[in-house]
Amino acid sequence: SQQGEEDPQALSIQEGENATMNCSYKTSINNLQWYRQNSGRGLVHLILIRSNEREKHSGRLRVTLDTSKKSSSLLITASRAADTASYFCATSLNYGGATNKLIFGTGTLLAVQP
Amino acid sequence: EAGVTQFPSHSVIEKGQTVTLRCDPISGHDNLYWYRRVMGKEIKFLLHFVKESKQDESGMPNNRFLAERTGGTYSTLKVQPAELEDSGVYFCASSQGTSYNEQFFGPGTRLTVL
Repeated sequence: SQQGEEDPQALSIQEGENATMNCSYKTSINNLQWYRQNSGRGLVHLILIRSNEREKHSGRLRVTLDTSKKSSSLLITASRAADTASYFCATSLNYGGATNKLIFGTGTLLAVQP
Repeated sequence: EAGVTQFPSHSVIEKGQTVTLRCDPISGHDNLYWYRRVMGKEIKFLLHFVKESKQDESGMPNNRFLAERTGGTYSTLKVQPAELEDSGVYFCASSQGTSYNEQFFGPGTRLTVL
């Protein structure tokens, strides 16, 4: 079953507005990461939040993690046209194994209108 | 510092042919991962190397896929023989230290099987 599900699937906002994307997952995690993918390009790592953290900031990005609700949110403040991309959450499962395979959500397509 | 690189960026082959994808991780990263995204679906884990050893290959779809990482540096992923459903984008990622760190992704190889 899919570990990460994101909503909304698509989001269109005006430049300068804030964008919020949510991610829900199903099992215990070690950490959760957010990635961005511009059209036709690779995945760019944005931020990692560990299971014992509740909030993390990086520039215009703010990520929260609620392990009791098994959910995370990514907030982009003062959006720019260049933020237009697909955003994915990816969870690293906490099962004591030596691997760290990431389980990706289906992504949120963000369009920032100039 | 150079990021993760992948070659080729695009590959178009006929069903039944063989294709080999290459990934060069960030220098010094022991962990190397392969993922793929088939059309309309989420990005899925294929396998994880720690140096030259396969740590987890639970995501490999079938025995038509063979991954190697000789010498613990670059990795290749061979598909032989390719089928139509193998079309998609194949991503490579690497991480350093313990496996529960950020994974840095390459730009991906878009594979089209006709």
